[in-house]
Amino acid sequence: KNQVEQSPQSLIILEGKNCTLQCNYTVSPFSNLRWYKQDTGRGPVSLTIMTFSENTKSNGRYTATLDADTKQSSLHITASQLSDSASYICVVSLYSTLTFGKGTMLLVSP
Amino acid sequence: DTGVSQDPRHKITKRGQNVTFRCDPISEHNRLYWYRQTLGQGPEFLTYFQNEAQLEKSRLLSDRFSAERPKGSFSTLEIQRTEQGDSAMYLCASSLTSLAAQETQYFGPGTRLLVL
Repeated sequence: KNQVEQSPQSLIILEGKNCTLQCNYTVSPFSNLRWYKQDTGRGPVSLTIMTFSENTKSNGRYTATLDADTKQSSLHITASQLSDSASYICVVSLYSTLTFGKGTMLLVSP
Repeated sequence: DTGVSQDPRHKITKRGQNVTFRCDPISEHNRLYWYRQTLGQGPEFLTYFQNEAQLEKSRLLSDRFSAERPKGSFSTLEIQRTEQGDSAMYLCASSLTSLAAQETQYFGPGTRLLVL
């Protein structure tokens, strides 16, 4: 069964600090890997998207990496802000079929 | 606002009642997806449409669930004889098919259902 596992399950950091979220997947083959940010009670919003041939992709303070050999991805958040508090979901897709991780709940504390 | 919209945003119903949710995708997006998300979990795929054709349904979509997209624009998701286990956030997403691998689904705000 195709799976996407994320760690940690939850994380608390101080405002201004950096953090890294992990995603391991077994989906193979795959078209692309995305990271979504989901605020509480809202729909997910795409942060980054990488094809299997890309190693890194940045979007402002968010940088995603992908190692297709080890089937691992990470999302690095630099200089965290209070508004970064949300669930971050790793999604691996093959064409129109998306496999979602359970997400990492990040809380940025003042 | 030209994003994906969903209505209602919240719905409370009694067990056994029928409910219907609506999703308006981004205009010109030909694909429309329905997902269900429970607390602490990622979204789970339910079904998707390409234009008005329903191309795939998950095994999660029991016979109490039905979805339509009659004119290839908005879509409705109906749940008949609701059960407490149906309580969840129902998310709609739309996308524009592309030959490139980077088709992005844009999500709506979701409809939160509570079955009492």
